[in-house]
Amino acid sequence: GEDVEQSLFLSVREGDSSVINCTYTDSSSTYLYWYKQEPGAGLQLLTYIFSNMDMKQDQRLTVLLNKKDKHLSLRIADTQTGDSAIYFCALSTGYSSASKIIFGSGTRLSIRP
Amino acid sequence: DTEVTQTPKHLVMGMTNKKSLKCEQHMGHRAMYWYKQKAKKPPELMFVYSYEKLSINESVPSRFSPECPNSSLLNLHLHALQPEDSALYLCASSQGAIPQETQYFGPGTRLLVL
Repeated sequence: GEDVEQSLFLSVREGDSSVINCTYTDSSSTYLYWYKQEPGAGLQLLTYIFSNMDMKQDQRLTVLLNKKDKHLSLRIADTQTGDSAIYFCALSTGYSSASKIIFGSGTRLSIRP
Repeated sequence: DTEVTQTPKHLVMGMTNKKSLKCEQHMGHRAMYWYKQKAKKPPELMFVYSYEKLSINESVPSRFSPECPNSSLLNLHLHALQPEDSALYLCASSQGAIPQETQYFGPGTRLLVL
C-alpha cells in the first residue's frame, strides 16, 4: 500500500528556516499537501502542490517536490514561536468517488529562543 | 466561509451510552469525511460520504454509525464504545466527489470512553 514517511522531530532556533521532509511511495498521487496541527486542534491546510509542479511559494512557505525521488519538503522562512506544531505531509490517492488522503506520521516542530 | 464546525468539542461517555457527534459545513462541499486520530498519530480515515451517500467505509466496527441527513451535515452515532475508542474525531469536507479534492478539517471532538 501507500506509505508516507516523515522524521518525528525538528528543533530550530527562532528566526531560522525550518525544513520538514517527507518521502512517499505512491507515484500516482496528483496532489500533495502540508497540514499543520496545533495542540488540541484540528488540521489546518497550509499549502498543497500539484504533482506536475516542482515548487510552490506562498509567503513564508516554500514547497519543493522531487517527483523522481518521491521527496516533498516544506520550508518555513523566519520561523516564529507560533509555528510550533505538528506538520503532516499527505497525499491524495485512489480513484474512488471521493478523495482519499494518506497522512505521514507527522513532524513535531519546536522552536528554540 | 471556509469553516467546518464540529460539536461537541469534548465528550465523555460510558460504554453503555449512546451519543452522537455532529459536523456541519456551508461551503457547498459534496463530500464529507470522518477521521479518527489517536494521540501522536496521524488521522485515520473512517468513512466518506459523497453526494450524501456512503462511498467508503474503512472496515470500521458497527458501534460507529455514520449518517448524512443532507449535504451540509454529517453525524457519527456512537453506541457501546470501548475505552480504546477514545480519540480525537475529525470531520472534513471537500468540494467535489472526484479524487484529489482538497479536504478542509474541523477542530475535532475529543472523545473519552470510560
